[in-house]
Amino acid sequence: DIQMTQSPTSVSASVGDRVTITCRASEDISRWLAWYQHKPGRAPQFLIYAASSLQSGVPSRFSGSGSGTDFTLTISSLQREDFATYYCQQADSFPYTFGQGTKLEIK
Amino acid sequence: EVQVLESGGGLVQPGGSLRLSCVASGFTFSNHAMNWVRQAPGKGLEWVSTISGGGTVTYYADSVKGRFSISSDNSKNTVYLQMNSLRVEDTAIYYCAKDTSRYGTYCDSWGQGTLVTVSS
Repeated sequence: DIQMTQSPTSVSASVGDRVTITCRASEDISRWLAWYQHKPGRAPQFLIYAASSLQSGVPSRFSGSGSGTDFTLTISSLQREDFATYYCQQADSFPYTFGQGTKLEIK
Repeated sequence: EVQVLESGGGLVQPGGSLRLSCVASGFTFSNHAMNWVRQAPGKGLEWVSTISGGGTVTYYADSVKGRFSISSDNSKNTVYLQMNSLRVEDTAIYYCAKDTSRYGTYCDSWGQGTLVTVSS
């Protein structure tokens, strides 16, 4: 199975900051990677697919990059509503696997 | 507008069974795979199972293989997750999610989840 490792596990930041979260796959997954945002008690939200394509309706301050084994999610200027937990997910092969999550907290 | 709504969660004893349902609307159901993803208390997201659009192909996480069964009814736009031989570690919120493709890739629309508690 492909293992997905995110870093950091948690990060504190302020409104307006730029934040980058990384995700590493245990083997080459090309660009078969998605990012999700999850807030407690809410349905997860689909942000980015194919490593860098922005899902319709997602603010442009979110961006993704990478290929192969190393990927990043960047939020260019944090807004209050962005504080949540973020997950990467590989879709290269079954069983699909998620990273352990990165909790983004207000400083 | 795409909508996904789960039901069927509840309290069950270890070794028991439960069937979750997920009704979808707002898209051509047979053209999209459907997924179940769960989140145990204090843990992250864990993919559980996927069924292809049309219901011909299924996939399972190793942790549930042989105990859980996914199926779909295109006439009712509904996907099911039959859970047998439940264990305490199956306790989680179970989310149903529409896939972007027919055979499974990304989860683009999620339900609010249904809570399954396995406890004596």
